[in-house]
Amino acid sequence: TQLLEQSPQFLSIQEGENLTVYCNSSSVFSSLQWYRQEPGEGPVLLVTVVTGGEVKKLKRLTFQFGDARKDSSLHITAAQPGDTGLYLCAAFMEYGNKLVFGAGTILRVKS
Amino acid sequence: DTAVSQTPKYLVTQMGNDKSIKCEQNLGHDTMYWYKQDSKKFLKIMFSYNNKELIINETVPNRFSPKSPDKAHLNLHINSLELGDSAVYFCASSHLKRLAGGGEQFFGPGTRLTVL
Repeated sequence: TQLLEQSPQFLSIQEGENLTVYCNSSSVFSSLQWYRQEPGEGPVLLVTVVTGGEVKKLKRLTFQFGDARKDSSLHITAAQPGDTGLYLCAAFMEYGNKLVFGAGTILRVKS
Repeated sequence: DTAVSQTPKYLVTQMGNDKSIKCEQNLGHDTMYWYKQDSKKFLKIMFSYNNKELIINETVPNRFSPKSPDKAHLNLHINSLELGDSAVYFCASSHLKRLAGGGEQFFGPGTRLTVL
């Protein structure tokens, strides 16, 4: 059982559609991050959320941290082919001083 | 101005061989990491060094040995390679205290290791 459960695992949509990716856990976190990884490259940080209920926007991407700080969502409005990639949520574990990643959501946006 | 660099990008080798992957960061970070990403894209930490000291050693076979000659470098040596070692290996770096406070971890471009 993974600490961070991401859903869906794979998403294939048409350009212009909206989508939401979820990251859930039974644990409480002080912060949660979303990374995006393109083929052949390493993950790149998109956002960090730290306050329960917090909402952050990055152009067409909206990130939300759950009130109880156990879950987060990433919503993309009017998806574009350039949004294609692997989206990873991650949380810092104080026990171990390390980032733990979810299994990721592979997003494919078709033009 | 590459922040975290890894060499080689691709590595194809036979079972039983010994190979090394090199990593360098020019961000002045105090902590470096090695991750393994399997075929299902799951990213799992293997090792972490803070100021050249090993601080994280996950349940990784002894065939994997990290070495940090200085704060800017963390190399990964793998002995007696096995088929199951095939994966993409990522090096990363951060300031440990900033990471704990929600700071960013910077990743290299990855090394795709294929064991035949």
